[in-house]
Amino acid sequence: DAKTTQPNSMESNEEEPVHLPCNHSTISGTDYIHWYRQLPSQGPEYVIHGLTSNVNNRMASLAIAEDRKSSTLILHRATLRDAAVYYCILRADNYGQNFVFGPGTRLSVLP
Amino acid sequence: GAVVSQHPSRVICKSGTSVKIECRSLDFQATTMFWYRQFPKKSLMLMATSNEGSKATYEQGVEKDKFLINHASLTLSTLTVTSAHPEDSSFYICSARGTPGYGYTFGSGTRLTVV
Repeated sequence: DAKTTQPNSMESNEEEPVHLPCNHSTISGTDYIHWYRQLPSQGPEYVIHGLTSNVNNRMASLAIAEDRKSSTLILHRATLRDAAVYYCILRADNYGQNFVFGPGTRLSVLP
Repeated sequence: GAVVSQHPSRVICKSGTSVKIECRSLDFQATTMFWYRQFPKKSLMLMATSNEGSKATYEQGVEKDKFLINHASLTLSTLTVTSAHPEDSSFYICSARGTPGYGYTFGSGTRLTVV
């Protein structure tokens, strides 16, 4: 799996948008971009994933650069509950393979 | 949606004893399950891949005789930490993926403390 680079930590104010960046310059054509988050003392939770086009769901939006070498997870209105470690993971969508987790970005949300 | 139940959520055991952690897929069949380990402030590290009906595949450096994995059915995988030592204290997390079309789902984790 290709490597991703994320900032170690970020801060946001409550009810403001948050843009979490991820660089993946060595992404291959078959790699999907996955985002998971891990709340304190919990297992990771799926957030969103995409291949080439921007994606939206009830949790977040995923903006993918045209060259696919970077992406941004967008939380439209951060809440205190969004404080977590966010992991950006590349993975070819081959059935049965595991995820390789990097250090992720620790997001703090200030009231 | 797909739910993975992990039990217990936390356990304290004495050195030298064994502890079993269960990972169940509640509403789907999980032919493959993964076991991860996470130390404080660190990321998840894959320990082993568990396939239903066959032996688990362990990552380099993970002792298969110490971390016994059994995946006897399509909805249950167990991790047994044998002869536990304080250095085995960690957060253990399982994940599962069923038939194609499902995303990965993670259990809520088990915090093991060996005293």
